[in-house]
Parts: sequence; C-alpha cells; structure tokens
Amino acid sequence: AQSVSQHNHHVILSEAASLELGCNYSYGGTVNLFWYVQYPGQHLQLLLKYFSGDPLVKGIKGFEAEFIKSKFSFNLRKPSVQWSDTAEYFCAVSDTGRRALTFGSGTRLQVQP
Amino acid sequence: NAGVTQTPKFRVLKTGQSMTLLCAQDMNHEYMYWYRQDPGMGLRLIHYSVGEGTTAKGEVPDGYNVSRLKKQNFLLGLESAAPSQTSVYFCAIGAGLRNEQYFGPGTRLTVT
Repeated sequence: AQSVSQHNHHVILSEAASLELGCNYSYGGTVNLFWYVQYPGQHLQLLLKYFSGDPLVKGIKGFEAEFIKSKFSFNLRKPSVQWSDTAEYFCAVSDTGRRALTFGSGTRLQVQP
Repeated sequence: NAGVTQTPKFRVLKTGQSMTLLCAQDMNHEYMYWYRQDPGMGLRLIHYSVGEGTTAKGEVPDGYNVSRLKKQNFLLGLESAAPSQTSVYFCAIGAGLRNEQYFGPGTRLTVT
C-alpha cells in the first residue's frame, strides 16, 4: 500500500520568508503527485500537480514543487510567503489503478505579518 | 470547486441515529469519492465510485454505505452513527485523463 509522509506538522514563518514543505511517498509504481491547500474553513483546492516530464512544476499563487524520483520526494516551495498563505497544505499521491488519493497528514502553515 | 455540492453543510446526530450525505456534480464525471478529514490525519478514503451503479471500498469503509444510482449523485449513508464518525466529510470528483480531484465544500458532522 502506498503512503505519504509530511514531516513538518506546524510551520511558523514571517512574511517574505522562504518556504519549503517536505513530502515523501512510498509506492513502487507510476504515481501522480499533488499538493492541495485548505484555507481556514474552506474546502481543498488544487495547488499544483506532477504527472510526468519536467520534475519542477509550477502552480498557482507562486508555488512550485520538485519531484525527485530517487528520493521519493515532492517538496513544495515558495520564495516569499505572504500572510494570505496561512493555511493547511496536503501532499497526495494517486495510483494508476484505483485512481484515488492517499494524503499526507498535512502541514499547518502560519505566516506572521 | 468544479461544480461539486454537498448537503447538508452541518449536522449533529445522536449515537445510533442514521443519516445520508448527498454529493452532487453538475458535470459528467465518472469518478466520485468520499473522504473524511480528521485533525492530524489528513483525508482518508471511505468509498469511491467509478461510474453509475458501481461502488468500492476505500481505507476506512466500516460503518458507512454508499450508492450511485444516478451518475450525478453519490450518497454516503451512516446506518447507526457513532461518536468516532464525528468528522468533516468531503466529496470529490475525478476529472481529466489523470483524474485530478476537485472537492466539494464539506459536511461537518458531530455525533454525540
């Protein structure tokens, strides 16, 4: 069975600081990788996705993620965070069979003005 | 949220009561999913459907049943609610060749 690990549970940053959130997955086959964001009281929104090709993918709101196959990682980055980035971030992987998502436990990001 | 609606938005149940959560899509997606979200655990798959008339179990199916009689609707039922089912329930649809998932607004359920 596949699994996803997000090692940072709670991250506190000041505005303009750089962000990197870790995501590692375990799965032996072809995977599709996603980052979702959940703003307080809202539903999950797709931030970015990786299917194949260039391992550096760009998403909405200035976020990007890098897929490193040898490390089974898909870390999320943003050069300069804003107060409005305060949210919970979830990494997810989907298998090509069932096509359902397996989520990490999430990282709560708090950006202080 | 890609045209995914969920009803109700909030509900409080007593232990042993039953209820049905409705997920509706306004498009024609084959894949639909039910997840539950609990603090520190991310989202976990309860059941899913790959098309009208089909359903399958996810990671945490116990205590839940589902039906997909119409392609647009995916129902999640709790026959006898338990406090352990207190959670936020999200429905999702899978879109595109790689089945990107888009989520509904969620239903917050409390079982006392």
